[in-house]
Amino acid sequence: EVQLVESGGGLVQPGGSLRLSCAASGFTFSSNAMSWVRQAPGKGLEWVSAISHSGGTTDYADSVKGRFTISRDNSKNTLFLQMNSLRADDTAKYYCAKGFRAAAPLYFDSWGQGTLVTVSS
Amino acid sequence: DIVMTQSPDSLAVSLGERATINCKSSQSVLHSSNNRNYLAWYQQKAGQPPKLLIYWASTRESGVPDRFSGSGSGTDFTLTISSLQAEDVAVYYCQQYYSTAVTFGGGTKVEIK
Repeated sequence: EVQLVESGGGLVQPGGSLRLSCAASGFTFSSNAMSWVRQAPGKGLEWVSAISHSGGTTDYADSVKGRFTISRDNSKNTLFLQMNSLRADDTAKYYCAKGFRAAAPLYFDSWGQGTLVTVSS
Repeated sequence: DIVMTQSPDSLAVSLGERATINCKSSQSVLHSSNNRNYLAWYQQKAGQPPKLLIYWASTRESGVPDRFSGSGSGTDFTLTISSLQAEDVAVYYCQQYYSTAVTFGGGTKVEIK
């Protein structure tokens, strides 16, 4: 059974940084591209970033480009999202999502439970 | 970016009746190389992450009940729940994966009448 467990969320001040992690199990992590998708409170889904199976290709939404960095450690089956220069409109639940193949573009066949990021002073 | 527009925003359907959700993309998501529509549907119940229902516009994910079906091509797509059950109360999202910057529709909330 595929399991994706996010961690690292919390309350951070505007301009601050946070690093999210997603521990994956139940599948061959190094074979699949992965993404982060966020959902602001009471709102819809917004794709944030994707990374290919090897980590060689990364993509970002315009709203986070230059501020967020996606990475992965295939030896530890873990996905990361480094978030810098955080703004109030980054407040959301961040989901780790498994892509259906090795590289973007992707649909997502498994999702974690999400980790909440709140940006507020 | 490809804009995905869903309609209606919400609908209330009686148990056992049909529910129909529409999704329109701002450009075609039909790839000429393989004649596939790069369109997926998700279900999100309250307090839960999204769950994949349909991909390639009409292929049901394993374990998804056959009362859920997807149709359409190019820019216009439909998710149909043929006989609404109580456990189908949720928000439904379409998503295009034609472009690397995937985008989601705004969601359609399905309730029991």
